[in-house]
Amino acid sequence: GAGVSQSPSNKVTEKGKDVELRCDPISGHTALYWYRQSLGQGLEFLIYFQGNSAPDKSGLPSDRFSAERTGGSVSTLTIQRTQQEDSAVYLCASSFWGANYEQYFGPGTRLTVT
Amino acid sequence: QQQVKQSPQSLIVQKGGISIINCAYENTAFDYFPWYQQFPGKGPALLIAIRPDVSEKKEGRFTISFNKSAKQFSLHIMDSQPGDSATYFCAASRFTGGGNKLTFGTGTQLKVEL
Repeated sequence: GAGVSQSPSNKVTEKGKDVELRCDPISGHTALYWYRQSLGQGLEFLIYFQGNSAPDKSGLPSDRFSAERTGGSVSTLTIQRTQQEDSAVYLCASSFWGANYEQYFGPGTRLTVT
Repeated sequence: QQQVKQSPQSLIVQKGGISIINCAYENTAFDYFPWYQQFPGKGPALLIAIRPDVSEKKEGRFTISFNKSAKQFSLHIMDSQPGDSATYFCAASRFTGGGNKLTFGTGTQLKVEL
């Protein structure tokens, strides 16, 4: 079956612009995670959604970052007023709800802020 | 504060040899320890995972050794092959109402030479 898909695969934006990154999780997966992979910080958790519960935003680095998940499926990560330090690969993962279920990662969106 | 420390940063192994990657964690509440494999341009993929109630888990050529008292765990790749050349990440999580937020190590670039 289809895996986690993310779009766009690459995004180049100018400093100060807003960007939206999209994630389509695996059908039936109620848990959805966003992570960021950068040279300086490695792989770090950003935000987590489970069903209709309030998201866990504890990993968002600043209030310029936000995310939503519509209809318990597709998620959008929005970065406002992008900065050069936002340049990274943004990864989305999904899983079934429960302890120790495997998280399946998408290919990521490579964001470059110029 | 880095909660999961991974070493070495890079590793070169001859074909047929054993690759060993080590991780140490700080948070004793962690109860799930997966290893992920990542190829360039792809998202991480789960390789093998262990819970702290067992000291070893083997799947094919891949083995996790877990030492709860030392708060350490390691990945052993037996009979390493050129196709194993990739970046490996250890991770840890604790399942809570906030899901399985993974805390990753910094990664090990493995190269298997002929």
